[in-house]
Amino acid sequence: EVQLVESGGGLVQPGRSLKLSCAASGFTFSNYGMAWVCQAPTKGLEWVASISTGGGNTYYRDSVKGRFTISRDNAKNTLYLQMDSLRSEDTATYYCARHWGYFDFWGPGTMVTVSS
Amino acid sequence: DIVMTQSPSSLAVSAGETVTINCKSSQSLFGSVRQKNYLAWYQQKPGQSPKLLIYLASTRESGVPDRFIGSGSGTDFTLTISSVQAEDLANYYCQQYYDTPRTFGGGTKLELK
Repeated sequence: EVQLVESGGGLVQPGRSLKLSCAASGFTFSNYGMAWVCQAPTKGLEWVASISTGGGNTYYRDSVKGRFTISRDNAKNTLYLQMDSLRSEDTATYYCARHWGYFDFWGPGTMVTVSS
Repeated sequence: DIVMTQSPSSLAVSAGETVTINCKSSQSLFGSVRQKNYLAWYQQKPGQSPKLLIYLASTRESGVPDRFIGSGSGTDFTLTISSVQAEDLANYYCQQYYDTPRTFGGGTKLELK
């Protein structure tokens, strides 16, 4: 059974950093592109970043370029999102998702709240 | 960026009705190489993560009931739910994957009348 479980969310002050993790199981992690998708409270879905199977290619939405870094460790079956210089508008639930262009499996999400 | 516009934003239905949700993209999602439309539909129930229903505009994901039907091509797409059941009450989103950034529609909330 495919499982994705995010962790690392929490309350953080503006300007500070946070690192999210996503533990994958039930499939060959290294064969799949992965992504982070966020959802602000009561709002819709927004793609944040994607990474290729080997990690050599990464893609970001404009609003997080230069602040967020997506990475992966295929030996540990884990996806990461390093979030720096956080802003109040980054407040959202962050989902890890398996990525074919569309997103076929999603984790339950981890909540990030940016507030002083 | 490709803008995805969904309509309506909310829809009140009775069990057993057939409903239609529309999704329009700001540019064509048809890929000439594979002759496919790069459009997906998701269902998100309250407190849950999204679930993939449809990809390539009309291909149903494994395990999705056949009352969920995706159609359309180019810039205009439709998700039809025939004989709506109480378990179908949720938010529905379309998403394009023709280009990066991947973009979603604003969502359609399906409610009970």
